[in-house]
Amino acid sequence: DTEVTQTPKHLVMGMTNKKSLKCEQHMGHRAMYWYKQKAKKPPELMFVYSYEKLSINESVPSRFSPECPNSSLLNLHLHALQPEDSALYLCASSQDMGLTGSSGYTFGSGTRLTVV
Amino acid sequence: DAKTTQPTSMDCAEGRAANLPCNHSTISGNEYVYWYRQIHSQGPQYIIHGLKNNETNEMASLIITEDRKSSTLILPHATLRDTAVYYCIVRAYSNSGYALNFGKGTSLLVTP
Repeated sequence: DTEVTQTPKHLVMGMTNKKSLKCEQHMGHRAMYWYKQKAKKPPELMFVYSYEKLSINESVPSRFSPECPNSSLLNLHLHALQPEDSALYLCASSQDMGLTGSSGYTFGSGTRLTVV
Repeated sequence: DAKTTQPTSMDCAEGRAANLPCNHSTISGNEYVYWYRQIHSQGPQYIIHGLKNNETNEMASLIITEDRKSSTLILPHATLRDTAVYYCIVRAYSNSGYALNFGKGTSLLVTP
């Protein structure tokens, strides 16, 4: 298995809702990442988990709450989002946070989130 | 991480080589050059990376100048499916942190 699987592919939520995005990989990678991508903009790093511990938080608002229950799973819990949070949310994984191996990062196809 | 500069957009005829330049004049000795691409509405895809030497794989070739201040990604025979945004990223080799940070990239259009 050489993929990163993200679910759901599309999500529409109200500003008072609580929802979660899920990311799964079975490549034995020990680093996992959340990126946010607005239309026609490059991906922006949000969080990094290394060996199931939060390693980097790029000053993301607390309405976004990451969780790494085990080495294969990464969740992003969403609560009280704003319409401007509508974006493509991408998950990625790598062997570790160093540049080991030749494959770099493997990205999922993303969850397209719309906040109404 | 060193900053990169890429042209905003480029065109290439199908079947011809696509040469995508990247300037990274502030690159340090331990910083790698990575190339990713993103086809519309998909996640970024790893293409190739290098430190000093030129590199080639089944997708592309990476040519890094001797002073390492610039590089060129070469797609030898571009197809319509190569239409995408191409990102050149420079980052340091480290196990202590820092993930990939994307710049604006080059939007490549391959035309019939």
